[in-house]
Amino acid sequence: QITLKESGPALVKPTQTLTLTCTFSGFSLSTSGVGVGWIRQPPGKALEWLALIYWDDDKRYNPSLKSRLTIAKDTSKNQVVLTMTNMDPVDTATYYCAHRRHGSGSNYGFNWFDPWGQGTLVTVSS
Amino acid sequence: IQMTQSPSSLSASVGDTVSITCRTSQRISIYLNWYQQKPGKAPKPLIYAASNLQDGVPSRFSGSGSGTDFTLTISSLQPEDFATYYCQESYSSFTFGPGTKVDIK
Repeated sequence: QITLKESGPALVKPTQTLTLTCTFSGFSLSTSGVGVGWIRQPPGKALEWLALIYWDDDKRYNPSLKSRLTIAKDTSKNQVVLTMTNMDPVDTATYYCAHRRHGSGSNYGFNWFDPWGQGTLVTVSS
Repeated sequence: IQMTQSPSSLSASVGDTVSITCRTSQRISIYLNWYQQKPGKAPKPLIYAASNLQDGVPSRFSGSGSGTDFTLTISSLQPEDFATYYCQESYSSFTFGPGTKVDIK
């Protein structure tokens, strides 16, 4: 059974750097094809994909936030870390990490997020 | 890739059939997923590759479309289906649509 859980500060001040950790079980990020992503959701608003890291250390970022984001993995600890610099009140959101799943056979190229962690609310305020 | 969904919200009754449309700003073949999210919960995947039902998802959910226009249809709406639905492209990145809230009439 795959599980993921986000951890990090609940409150950060404007201009600070946010560091979030996703601790997972039930899979290994050293296994071919595996990926872990981060998604956020401001209160009452839509989901926004942030970043994704693959087993081979390939990293993908949301172009609109790329300059502020860094994603990294620690395979030995089963963790993925996301850092976001220069936090602003508009970055207040629930931050989720999720396992990237892909189809099998002829559907291998199709990807989606499943399962997701429970999410962690980060508030940006002075 | 820009994503739009329509309507942004709809009211329906148990037993109704509802359809939600997702449009993308460029052609994405069938690289389109659908999720369901209930308040305070993480999203749950419903459909991948435009029309493939995820394991365990009831058959009253169906997806269709390709290119830039996609549809999620829920037949015979059940009480547990009242939620917000998001489309997501996986063609170039993982952009989500703005969501469609389905509530009780």
